[in-house]
Amino acid sequence: DTEVTQTPKHLVMGMTNKKSLKCEQHMGHRAMYWYKQKAKKPPELMFVYSYEKLSINESVPSRFSPECPNSSLLNLHLHALQPEDSALYLCASSQGDANTGELFFGEGSRLTVL
Amino acid sequence: GEDVEQSLFLSVREGDSSVINCTYTDSSSTYLYWYKQEPGAGLQLLTYIFSNMDMKQDQRLTVLLNKKDKHLSLRIADTQTGDSAIYFCAESITGGGNKLTFGTGTQLKVEL
Repeated sequence: DTEVTQTPKHLVMGMTNKKSLKCEQHMGHRAMYWYKQKAKKPPELMFVYSYEKLSINESVPSRFSPECPNSSLLNLHLHALQPEDSALYLCASSQGDANTGELFFGEGSRLTVL
Repeated sequence: GEDVEQSLFLSVREGDSSVINCTYTDSSSTYLYWYKQEPGAGLQLLTYIFSNMDMKQDQRLTVLLNKKDKHLSLRIADTQTGDSAIYFCAESITGGGNKLTFGTGTQLKVEL
């Protein structure tokens, strides 16, 4: 199994809603990532979890709250988002401290904030 | 800084070679990558090169690295319509916690 699975594929939410994006991998990878990608732009790193601990937070607003319940799962909790937060949210995983840094990406969750 | 620049668009005819270029500014990069993104999909790693190499070939793909000029290129031989996508170069730095910085992306269009 070389897949990173993200759910839901599409999400529409209002600015007062609370929702979550989910990501799962069964490759035994110990690092997991959230990236945000706006249309026709490169992905921008949001968070990195390494061995289930948050290792990088790229100054992301607190309305985005990551959670890593175990080494296979990564969540992104969303609350009080703004329309400009509409984007494709990509989850990725890697072996952790592997020097090649090869990231395996999911297909993404396309978020629209109304 | 970690700016990674690419040209925005490239159009080639099917069967020709494509060359996608990338320039980066951080000389401490250890690995450089090429990712492919098809419409509505995630990113797929195509190939990567370690900074002490200057060339890597993998089937139709050839990566050239000029570390002095901080220039990376991806050559796709015999380009096919299925190669139409956005191509991102990316760099990582040892000790950066697998933190990748992506280039601006090049949209490759393959015409019949």
